[in-house]
Amino acid sequence: DAGITQSPRHKVTETGTPVTLRCHQTENHRYMYWYRQDPGHGLRLIHYSYGVKDTDKGEVSDGYSVSRSKTEDFLLTLESATSSQTSVYFCAIAGASSYEQYFGPGTRLTVT
Amino acid sequence: AQSVTQLGSHVSVSEGALVLLRCNYSSSVPPYLFWYVQYPNQGLQLLLKYTTGATLVKGINGFEAEFKKSETSFHLTKPSAHMSDAAEYFCAVSDRGAGNMLTFGGGTRLMVKP
Repeated sequence: DAGITQSPRHKVTETGTPVTLRCHQTENHRYMYWYRQDPGHGLRLIHYSYGVKDTDKGEVSDGYSVSRSKTEDFLLTLESATSSQTSVYFCAIAGASSYEQYFGPGTRLTVT
Repeated sequence: AQSVTQLGSHVSVSEGALVLLRCNYSSSVPPYLFWYVQYPNQGLQLLLKYTTGATLVKGINGFEAEFKKSETSFHLTKPSAHMSDAAEYFCAVSDRGAGNMLTFGGGTRLMVKP
């Protein structure tokens, strides 16, 4: 299995609070991604990174920000959580020379 | 823009029966194609991929898929379903552009009846 961990694995938070999810990889891969998974929608890309300090928006980026200060870590921040951000969040990584992505175990976030 | 359509959000088969999960895509360039499997409360696991070469590709757990350019399809099959195949399956496409990004279909939940 690809060396990807996500923390926390489960989180319950209240509307309006900030939340940060962490993705950590040990593969030294260039690309990292954050997705959200909701029933009927498959996986939708939130943000991605193509290198340290290099990030870009995905399909559903509103309300989210990201940072990548080291190759191995990619953080997803919800500045002010809303109930619509209740979801399962997955991190993925990909090497520079291949197109398949490898996924972490996911974080289940509930915003009450 | 790419899109991926998986026909049937739920598919039910009997143990030992043929599994057929359908995937159609739209892409402006020859795509790379993937199938992923997700077991309950887990992340996605790569099942198989098509990049170039032989259009029939074999993956893990006895699954295979055939890339048919004329039909813009990449259907997933397995000759004989096993109870352990019950999971959600996702088809994804890459246009091989910058960022190595994938576009996913909505997923198909496979149920296997004893």
